[in-house]
Amino acid sequence: EAGVTQSPRYAVLQEGQAVSFWCDPISGHDTLYWYQQPRDQGPQLLVYFRDEAVIDNSQLPSDRFSAVRPKGTNSTLKIQSAKQGDTATYLCASSSLGGLNYAEQFFGPGTRLTVL
Amino acid sequence: QQQVRQSPQSLTVWEGETTILNCSYEDSTFDYFPWYRQFPGKSPALLIAISLVSNKKEDGRFTIFFNKREKKLSLHITDSQPGDSATYFCAASVIMGYKLTFGTGTSLLVDP
Repeated sequence: EAGVTQSPRYAVLQEGQAVSFWCDPISGHDTLYWYQQPRDQGPQLLVYFRDEAVIDNSQLPSDRFSAVRPKGTNSTLKIQSAKQGDTATYLCASSSLGGLNYAEQFFGPGTRLTVL
Repeated sequence: QQQVRQSPQSLTVWEGETTILNCSYEDSTFDYFPWYRQFPGKSPALLIAISLVSNKKEDGRFTIFFNKREKKLSLHITDSQPGDSATYFCAASVIMGYKLTFGTGTSLLVDP
């Protein structure tokens, strides 16, 4: 079974530029998450979807960040006008309850973003 | 406000020793506590998890001890191996593992 895939793996931008990250979750997983992991810190949830619906985007900086999952499968996270403080690894994860009590989250390899 | 705290920030042990990693939380509504392990340059992966209904969870050399009254957990790694060298994150969730809050992590180095 294929895991969560993400692209690109790396991105380097100047401040003010835009960038998009793409995620393909594990097949059949209804829930998809985007995390931001600054260097030497734990992942911080930005937004998560169940199917195509946004369940929680309270930690997503809405003025510059946006995320969509239009068909309930793949997802795109976009940063408009990137800032140096956005430098981090962006992780996508997916999960499915599948009869269990708790939904294990499976992480993709991440996109390492550097904003100069 | 850091809702999930971990200590120590970093730790070095000798091969064969028992490693103890600590975690505490503030939100009484948290009911599921997974530990994730992250090797350098890799993404986090679930190692072991415990819920409120248990005080202890074992999986091979890894054991979680849970003190609900004090809102503290600890991850014990017996017979620590160099291959255990990684960063360990304690996380907590309110709703069936969906919305995870991660701690800042403990970086473990096991010297041979």
